[in-house]
Amino acid sequence: DAGITQSPRHKVTETGTPVTLRCHQTENHRYMYWYRQDPGHGLRLIHYSYGVKDTDKGEVSDGYSVSRSKTEDFLLTLESATSSQTSVYFCAISGGQANTEAFFGQGTRLTVV
Amino acid sequence: GENVEQHPSTLSVQEGDSAVIKCTYSDSASNYFPWYKQELGKRPQLIIDIRSNVGEKKDQRIAVTLNKTAKHFSLHITETQPEDSAVYFCAARGAGNMLTFGGGTRLMVKP
Repeated sequence: DAGITQSPRHKVTETGTPVTLRCHQTENHRYMYWYRQDPGHGLRLIHYSYGVKDTDKGEVSDGYSVSRSKTEDFLLTLESATSSQTSVYFCAISGGQANTEAFFGQGTRLTVV
Repeated sequence: GENVEQHPSTLSVQEGDSAVIKCTYSDSASNYFPWYKQELGKRPQLIIDIRSNVGEKKDQRIAVTLNKTAKHFSLHITETQPEDSAVYFCAARGAGNMLTFGGGTRLMVKP
């Protein structure tokens, strides 16, 4: 498996609290992505990064922010968690060429109560 | 942005039969089309991919076809086995290297 680790793996938090999920890679890959997975919706892109400090929005970015201060780490922050953000979050990485495989992390199950 | 539609959402086949899953995409600039398999509670994993300069690719019991003119691509699994039961996702990579996924197909192979 590619060197990609998500933390935490599980988290329960209260509505209105900030939450940060971490994605760490050891592959030195340029591209990193955050997806959420919900029943009936597949994998929806939240944000992605194409380099250090270079990020862009995906299709469901409202309520989320990201940061990438170094190649190996991509952080996803929920500024004020809501119940609609209860989901499984996956990080993915891919290499420097446009067509290389994307590898997924193990996922983080987030529950907002 | 890119939009990927996937059909059917569920598919039930008898062991040994073939299964076909179809996807369409909207961005004519998309040039890479991977397929992922996700078992229950696991992460998605790549099973096969195809690039825009190729019309078909095969790997043992799995094949993918691409029609760039019509902007659709399909996954074909022959001689299905119970261990093929999973959720399958198609995806398209387009502008800005964004990877957009279809909604998924739950494949059930009945012994």
